[in-house]
Amino acid sequence: KQEVTQIPAALSVPEGENLVLNCSFTDSAIYNLQWFRQDPGKGLTSLLLIQSSQREQTSGRLNASLDKSSGRSTLYIAASQPGDSATYLCAGFTGANSKLTFGKGITLSVRP
Amino acid sequence: DAGVIQSPRHEVTEMGQEVTLRCKPISGHNSLFWYRQTMMRGLELLIYFNNNVPIDDSGMPEDRFSAKMPNASFSTLKIQPSEPRDSAVYFCASIPLGGRDTEAFFGQGTRLTVV
Repeated sequence: KQEVTQIPAALSVPEGENLVLNCSFTDSAIYNLQWFRQDPGKGLTSLLLIQSSQREQTSGRLNASLDKSSGRSTLYIAASQPGDSATYLCAGFTGANSKLTFGKGITLSVRP
Repeated sequence: DAGVIQSPRHEVTEMGQEVTLRCKPISGHNSLFWYRQTMMRGLELLIYFNNNVPIDDSGMPEDRFSAKMPNASFSTLKIQPSEPRDSAVYFCASIPLGGRDTEAFFGQGTRLTVV
């Protein structure tokens, strides 16, 4: 059974800081990994998808990497801004049974 | 496309009542997932469908929960009878046809409160 862990549960940083959010998973047979953003009271917005043949993906100030052998993914946010404050969730897609399993998320607060 | 559409956005009901949550996936998406989100347990997969067929319902907490997908454009999640511990945000997500390596798209969720 795939288990996805995100530690810490919450993080507070000053504006402008570069930061890394971590995600670990137990089943290395993960097919792909997706990072989402969730604002309070809202749905999930897809940020980046690292496809099965990829090791990283970039979009603007965001860069996500995936190392299946070590069971880890990271989301790098460059030059953080107050507007980046949200909860960030990672989800692993296990192809064998087509399940998308989520971590509990990291709530990020960027202080002006 | 309008994205994944869920209704209602908010539902308040009394314990023991039947609740039906609705989801319209993105056109052309053939996989549909129902999730429940709570502070304590995070996002839990309840059930998912491929081509309208339920594939895995092992996440459905009890027999009080049931889900159907009568066609490619509509799914329901029903709770009967509802209990206060069912209070949560319920999300629906869809993935494109043949989309093992594509993004999952989520609806805005239904916030259910059972009093």
